[in-house]
Amino acid sequence: DTEVTQTPKHLVMGMTNKKSLKCEQHMGHRAMYWYKQKAKKPPELMFVYSYEKLSINESVPSRFSPECPNSSLLNLHLHALQPEDSALYLCASSQSGGDTGELFFGEGSRLTVL
Amino acid sequence: AQSVTQPDIHITVSEGASLELRCNYSYGATPYLFWYVQSPGQGLQLLLKYFSGDTLVQGIKGFEAEFKRSQSSFNLRKPSVHWSDAAEYFCAVGAAGRRALTFGSGTRLQVQP
Repeated sequence: DTEVTQTPKHLVMGMTNKKSLKCEQHMGHRAMYWYKQKAKKPPELMFVYSYEKLSINESVPSRFSPECPNSSLLNLHLHALQPEDSALYLCASSQSGGDTGELFFGEGSRLTVL
Repeated sequence: AQSVTQPDIHITVSEGASLELRCNYSYGATPYLFWYVQSPGQGLQLLLKYFSGDTLVQGIKGFEAEFKRSQSSFNLRKPSVHWSDAAEYFCAVGAAGRRALTFGSGTRLQVQP
């Protein structure tokens, strides 16, 4: 299994809603990532988990809250978002944190904030 | 700090023509280099990667790239483009023990029939 699975594929939420994005991989990878991608832009790193511990937070606003319940799962909890947070959110994994080797990406979750 | 430059924002080629997408990087040591492709609304798929060894790297879908240390470049090539190659292409750089990959701004490839 060489897939990273993200759910939901599409999410529409209001600014007062609380929602979550989910990511799962079964490749035994020990590093997992959240990236944010705006239209016609490259992915921007948000968070990195290495061995289930948060190792990088790229100064992301607290309305985004990551969680890594175990080595296969990564969540991104969303609360009180702004319309400018609308974007494609990509999850990725790699064999181990800090090796900056190959990243395996999911298909992404398209988020629209009204 | 490491950085990646993709000078071409948008390239249009005819189907069957050859393709070269440019990528220049800035990093003091030997970097890890990657090319990813992204179709609209999709995730990123790895085309090929360079860590060390042979500077000409073969990838999936008939793509290849050549690492040229003297020019700090890692250009992507394909001898004959297919309509299905139309997508966004990202060059990325990483390094051992450092944080996650740094992506270039991307090159959008359009293929004319």
